[in-house]
Amino acid sequence: DAMVIQNPRYQVTQFGKPVTLSCSQTLNHNVMYWYQQKSSQAPKLLFHYYDKDFNNEADTPDNFQSRRPNTSFCFLDIRSPGLGDAAMYLCATSRGTGTISGYTFGSGTRLTVV
Amino acid sequence: KQEVTQIPAALSVPEGENLVLNCSFTDSAIYNLQWFRQDPGKGLTSLLLIQSSQREQTSGRLNASLDKSSGRSTLYIAASQPGDSATYLCAVPKGSQGNLIFGKGTKLSVKP
Repeated sequence: DAMVIQNPRYQVTQFGKPVTLSCSQTLNHNVMYWYQQKSSQAPKLLFHYYDKDFNNEADTPDNFQSRRPNTSFCFLDIRSPGLGDAAMYLCATSRGTGTISGYTFGSGTRLTVV
Repeated sequence: KQEVTQIPAALSVPEGENLVLNCSFTDSAIYNLQWFRQDPGKGLTSLLLIQSSQREQTSGRLNASLDKSSGRSTLYIAASQPGDSATYLCAVPKGSQGNLIFGKGTKLSVKP
């Protein structure tokens, strides 16, 4: 089945130690998104790639970076994780901006910072 | 600025009951509205996508309606089961820019 796959499902990292989360998709969607979701809150968009074009949300901290080496893969890099960065990180894809076919989400990566 | 609100924030019902979850949005110029389910500690599973030109969509025991003019959508769950227990989120795209605007969700608990 075509899907969005996130690895790992759970990630524990030390305070200040760089960490990378990965997302892959077999849907051949041209847009990929990274959302951050803290406990009992709505998901919040960090950034997205429209094809190779990177779009950063204005309030996304500089500590968060992203890479998209090809259509299928997208990575979220947190350069120096703080305790406040502990959250669920959700990857999503869409064909175009999702105005026609909607969005598909992965299972998420739960990040713990110790 | 588009805002999405979901009421109630939490709902507990006995098994077998029919129920309605509500979603409202402030800007009626939407392309579509999507309902998601989220189990604890998991990602989002898409349930139903309603295009702006549609009035409703159905999938099994789920029926979602959309009234753009009043800025409302409802998710109807028939004959609820304990397995339906989860948080249900509605979301609309932010204009044509690809950012989904989410409500805070309704946490549903179906008691056996």
